[in-house]
Amino acid sequence: NAGVTQTPKFRILKIGQSMTLQCTQDMNHNYMYWYRQDPGMGLKLIYYSVGAGITDKGEVPNGYNVSRSTTEDFPLRLELAAPSQTSVYFCASSYKGLGQPQHFGDGTRLSIL
Amino acid sequence: GQQLNQSPQSMFIQEGEDVSMNCTSSSIFNTWLWYKQDPGEGPVLLIALYKAGELTSNGRLTAQFGITRKDSFLNISASIPSDVGIYFCAGQDYGGSQGNLIFGKGTKLSVKP
Repeated sequence: NAGVTQTPKFRILKIGQSMTLQCTQDMNHNYMYWYRQDPGMGLKLIYYSVGAGITDKGEVPNGYNVSRSTTEDFPLRLELAAPSQTSVYFCASSYKGLGQPQHFGDGTRLSIL
Repeated sequence: GQQLNQSPQSMFIQEGEDVSMNCTSSSIFNTWLWYKQDPGEGPVLLIALYKAGELTSNGRLTAQFGITRKDSFLNISASIPSDVGIYFCAGQDYGGSQGNLIFGKGTKLSVKP
């Protein structure tokens, strides 16, 4: 019953450092998504992927990169961490894009100091 | 871009009371979803709505897809302490952006035993 698994759960970075947030799903879903959630706000879409090898920008893509080499994995990379990227990051997946609910991981809490 | 207005922002109720929250949009959606988020976890899908006027129940939860396709509400009957959490609505339109979800800012529910 793994579903969507995110690692790490918590991380503190210094300004300018880089890191990769990992996301993997075992439901054979085609679509995968990365969101960020800031306090008191809903989720904002960073990037999404409709299948292996295909990615596209969401609402707030600046400062992030993604890749989708396999159906299961969708890592999110921060190249030069900035304090504005302090947030909780959620990965989600769905079987199709339209008319299909998204299933979420438990999140990665990231602080940039 | 599209925005969802979710209200109320927060609610403090007594155990056993009924709860109602709603979301409105300036544009039409084809799908409405309601999620619940517990502290430190990702959102979990409660109810998915796919047709205007649709009324769907999940235990003590009932949600409706508004006739105009611009709103949805969620009712919780006879609240219990484990209903505490943040409830998010999310809408999806089938045009552009691969039908990505737009999230409300959430309703924080507190239940007094």
